[in-house]
Amino acid sequence: QKEVEQNSGPLSVPEGAIASLNCTYSDRGSQSFFWYRQYSGKSPELIMFIYSNGDKEDGRFTAQLNKASQYVSLLIRDSQPSDSATYLCAVWGRRSNDYKLSFGAGTTVTVRA
Amino acid sequence: TAGITQAPTSQILAAGRSMTLRCTQDMRHNAMYWYRQDLGLGLRLIHYSNTAGTTGKGEVPDGYSVSRANTDDFPLTLASAVPSQTSVYFCASTPGPGNTEAFFGQGTRLTVV
Repeated sequence: QKEVEQNSGPLSVPEGAIASLNCTYSDRGSQSFFWYRQYSGKSPELIMFIYSNGDKEDGRFTAQLNKASQYVSLLIRDSQPSDSATYLCAVWGRRSNDYKLSFGAGTTVTVRA
Repeated sequence: TAGITQAPTSQILAAGRSMTLRCTQDMRHNAMYWYRQDLGLGLRLIHYSNTAGTTGKGEVPDGYSVSRANTDDFPLTLASAVPSQTSVYFCASTPGPGNTEAFFGQGTRLTVV
């Protein structure tokens, strides 16, 4: 089982719609969760992080975390063509004294004008 | 601009040859990481270093070695390249290990022929 799994894409949404991205993780002890956006040919850049159960909003982005279900999601409201990118879910896990940041395979989002 | 610099940006390498991918950061981050990114597989951790003088193996370490002689530099060496090592390589850093945002270099696209 992969440590971080994301819903397979690609995901195509019309401009102005909500894009919903899902991620599950296997390490129940994980405490911090990140969403990165990666444009084609570029490096990942952080868009959201969440540590506590519930919702966290930042502009058009909302991250949702449910530790009991080991589930984290990202909602993009009022999707714009500039949101077209691959979104990577990342989770910090710990084994003994070693921390490891694991990534999902990514979900590619295309926003249709 | 502060950040992480990788070199080279891209490289074509003959199978069997050795190569070192360079990574330098000027943020005084303690922890550094090497990931490879392949289509459909996301970012996979190759090696990491929680602090200068220490290194550890990630998810896919075979065929790669690293060193961390000082805080700023974290080179990745391929001793004898094989075609399966064709990938995009990202170096990343965090202030310390665990629970923080990772900052990425611009990536190195390596093709082994």
